[in-house]
Amino acid sequence: DGGITQSPKYLFRKEGQNVTLSCEQNLNHDAMYWYRQDPGQGLRLIYYSQIVNDFQKGDIAEGYSVSREKKESFPLTVTSAQKNPTAFYLCASRGTTGTWHQPQHFGDGTRLSIL
Amino acid sequence: AQSVTQPDIHITVSEGASLELRCNYSYGATPYLFWYVQSPGQGLQLLLKYFSGDTLVQGIKGFEAEFKRSQSSFNLRKPSVHWSDAAEYFCAVGPMNSGYSTLTFGKGTMLLVSP
Repeated sequence: DGGITQSPKYLFRKEGQNVTLSCEQNLNHDAMYWYRQDPGQGLRLIYYSQIVNDFQKGDIAEGYSVSREKKESFPLTVTSAQKNPTAFYLCASRGTTGTWHQPQHFGDGTRLSIL
Repeated sequence: AQSVTQPDIHITVSEGASLELRCNYSYGATPYLFWYVQSPGQGLQLLLKYFSGDTLVQGIKGFEAEFKRSQSSFNLRKPSVHWSDAAEYFCAVGPMNSGYSTLTFGKGTMLLVSP
């Protein structure tokens, strides 16, 4: 079945450590997104990419970095500059060919906690 | 800037009763509108979307939503709630153009279903 795989499901970070969250999709989607979810805050956009080797900052990009070297993959690095990284992180993708009102599809998320 | 307001943080409904979750948006033109549902620890699943045409849209799991331009609303309804509908519901808005890239999400409404 096609879908979006996020790994790991749970991740722990020590102070001053960078960690990378994986997001892989086999939906052949061009666009991919990273969101951060905190209780009562809804989803906030961190970064998005509409095509390989290109990405844009979202609303809360500080302390995060991404790469888009392959169409299927959009890893998110939470750097030590992100002072409050504890959150639930969601990856999404969207097709951009054919009908242009396609919705975003989501992975099952990674929960990041500070040790 | 576009925004989405979900006025109810929590709603409790008896099983078998009808449900209406409110969503108001602010956007300068006709938007794309979406409703997503999220079970605890999971990603978001698309319930339905509106982009044009009939203002009453049908979705999965027996949900429907009505777009009311004059009220800038896109309320989600279900005639008879089941215990399995207990989850968090998110309304989202995106710009209606061929290159829409990002969505703005509301902060969510948590639905509790009582026996």
